[in-house]
Amino acid sequence: QVKLLQSGAELVKPGASVKLSCKTSGFTFSTNYMSWLKQVPGPSIEWIGWIYGGDGGTHYNQKFKDKATLTVDKSSSTAYMDLSSLTSEDAAVYFCTRFAPSSGYPFDYWGQGVMVTVSS
Amino acid sequence: DTLLTQSPALAVSPGERVSISCRASEGVTSYMHWYQQKPGQQPKLLIYKTSNLASGVPARFSGSGSGTDFTLTIDPVETDDTATYFCQQSWNAPYTFGAGTKLELK
Repeated sequence: QVKLLQSGAELVKPGASVKLSCKTSGFTFSTNYMSWLKQVPGPSIEWIGWIYGGDGGTHYNQKFKDKATLTVDKSSSTAYMDLSSLTSEDAAVYFCTRFAPSSGYPFDYWGQGVMVTVSS
Repeated sequence: DTLLTQSPALAVSPGERVSISCRASEGVTSYMHWYQQKPGQQPKLLIYKTSNLASGVPARFSGSGSGTDFTLTIDPVETDDTATYFCQQSWNAPYTFGAGTKLELK
């Protein structure tokens, strides 16, 4: 079955960067899209961007284009998201998801989420 | 960005029917999806493209609507349905979510 396993919680200092990972299994990574989402208490959810597992092509929410960088490693079926110049505004739970264009672009499978805390 | 407006909370009794609404600030054709999130868990896809039931989701859940007004219906509601429900549109970039409707069981 489809599984998305995210890396563990992160505590990072303001101004630093962090790289989150999402290891997938149960589907053909290279023919699918992955997306990353941000959730803060409220409990609002924001879409950060998507990346195609085949060629690494990306599309970002303009709000996050200078904050997040999405990459993939096809050999390990893993998606990554780099977050740079972290501030308190970046403290949130981040989810990786599979993104399903064939079904009208819902986020059909989700990782368990990773909490990023920004503190000195 | 497309704003999705949901009522913040609803309370119903088990066995009843409940409808959760989502209104979009601009048309999204049929590209509206619904998710369920329980505390401490990731969201789970319930309905995609307005009315299609996601894999493994009970038939008690259904969706309807078009354009700017959409509804998720649960009939009958069970105690396990206590959760927050989000709508999400994928017609206009950036893709956006509603703020969620918290469903409580009486």
